[in-house]
Amino acid sequence: DTEVTQTPKHLVMGMTNKKSLKCEQHMGHRAMYWYKQKAKKPPELMFVYSYEKLSINESVPSRFSPECPNSSLLNLHLHALQPEDSALYLCASSYGLGTGELFFGEGSRLTVL
Amino acid sequence: DQQVKQNSPSLSVQEGRISILNCDYTNSMFDYFLWYKKYPAEGPTFLISISSIKDKNEDGRFTVFLNKSAKHLSLHIVPSQPGDSAVYFCAASGGYGGATNKLIFGTGTLLAVQP
Repeated sequence: DTEVTQTPKHLVMGMTNKKSLKCEQHMGHRAMYWYKQKAKKPPELMFVYSYEKLSINESVPSRFSPECPNSSLLNLHLHALQPEDSALYLCASSYGLGTGELFFGEGSRLTVL
Repeated sequence: DQQVKQNSPSLSVQEGRISILNCDYTNSMFDYFLWYKKYPAEGPTFLISISSIKDKNEDGRFTVFLNKSAKHLSLHIVPSQPGDSAVYFCAASGGYGGATNKLIFGTGTLLAVQP
């Protein structure tokens, strides 16, 4: 199994809603990532987890709250988002930090109204 | 400040010919470079990588060249196939004080291979 699975694929939410994006991998990877990609822009790193601990937070606003319940799962909790937060949110995993190759999911397309 | 740049937003090549995608970087601390391929509505897929201790890495039709003094790398695809049509992202990592996998992506180049 070489897949990173993200749900939902599409999400539309209002600015007062609370929702979550989910990511799952069963490759035994110990590092997991959230990236954000706006249209015609490169993916930008948001968070990195290593061995279920938050390793990097790229100064992301607190309305985005990551969670890593176990080594296979990564969540991104969303609350009080702004329309400019609309983007493709990509989850990725790797064997560990510093191993280079990241395996990406297909992404969750988020629209904030 | 864009640390990884792909100055060609798009490239069109005939099937069977060589595709050359270019990437420049500014941070001399980068020591690992990767190319990812992305189809619409899919996540990026790893293609090939190169460490800064090498200047060339080859995998089938794909070859990556690294010129450290020029802070430049390129991806060669030979021969190009219509299925290679996608957005190609260059990415770099390293120099962040310890084991890390903070990839910095370039802006991408849309490759169109014409049959």
